[in-house]
Amino acid sequence: QQKVQQSPESLIVPEGGMASLNCTSSDRNVDYFWWYRQHSGKSPKMLMSIFSNGEKEEGRFTVHLNKASLHTSLHIRDSQPSDSALYLCAALASSGSWQLIFGSGTQLTVMP
Amino acid sequence: DAGVTQTPRHEVAEKGQTIILKCEPVSGHNDLFWYRQTKIQGLELLSYFRSKSLMEDGGAFKDRFKAEMLNSSFSTLKIQPTEPKDSAVYLCASRRTGGDAEQFFGPGTRLTVL
Repeated sequence: QQKVQQSPESLIVPEGGMASLNCTSSDRNVDYFWWYRQHSGKSPKMLMSIFSNGEKEEGRFTVHLNKASLHTSLHIRDSQPSDSALYLCAALASSGSWQLIFGSGTQLTVMP
Repeated sequence: DAGVTQTPRHEVAEKGQTIILKCEPVSGHNDLFWYRQTKIQGLELLSYFRSKSLMEDGGAFKDRFKAEMLNSSFSTLKIQPTEPKDSAVYLCASRRTGGDAEQFFGPGTRLTVL
């Protein structure tokens, strides 16, 4: 069964610092990667998606994808206390069941 | 456009009761998902519908969990009978069909089984 592994499980960074989160899929058929952010007591909301090799930047957030290694990473620069949340990585293989497979998440805490 | 709506937002049940959770997907979305989320297990898929047809039934959740899609704009999740270990947040999500389609989550129902 396909798995999505995220690391680290938890991460503490100072305000203004850089946070780097990692995600790897075990399914070689994965075509799409998604990053979701979930604040405490709220539901997950899509943050960024990446489908092609390379890098995508949106404001303070940058996501990388290496399809050969099935590895994606999310980088948050100038981290803010409001970025404190659970970050979930999800992968989808269009040749499979078409359902998103979620990792267990990285709990990010940004200290003021 | 309205997002995914879920009712009720909170539910307290006695062990052995039957509870029904409700979900309305985003209008025009063909895919609908039910998940259970706990701190220990994370997000677990319960059911997946495409155009009202059941695509995945969540394996281990078959015996006491039943999701139905009565029409394209309404789904229910029935838990019968409830057990204390069912205490969790139940999330409904929907998306257009397609791997590049964003999946939108509802606000969730927090279930407590005493």
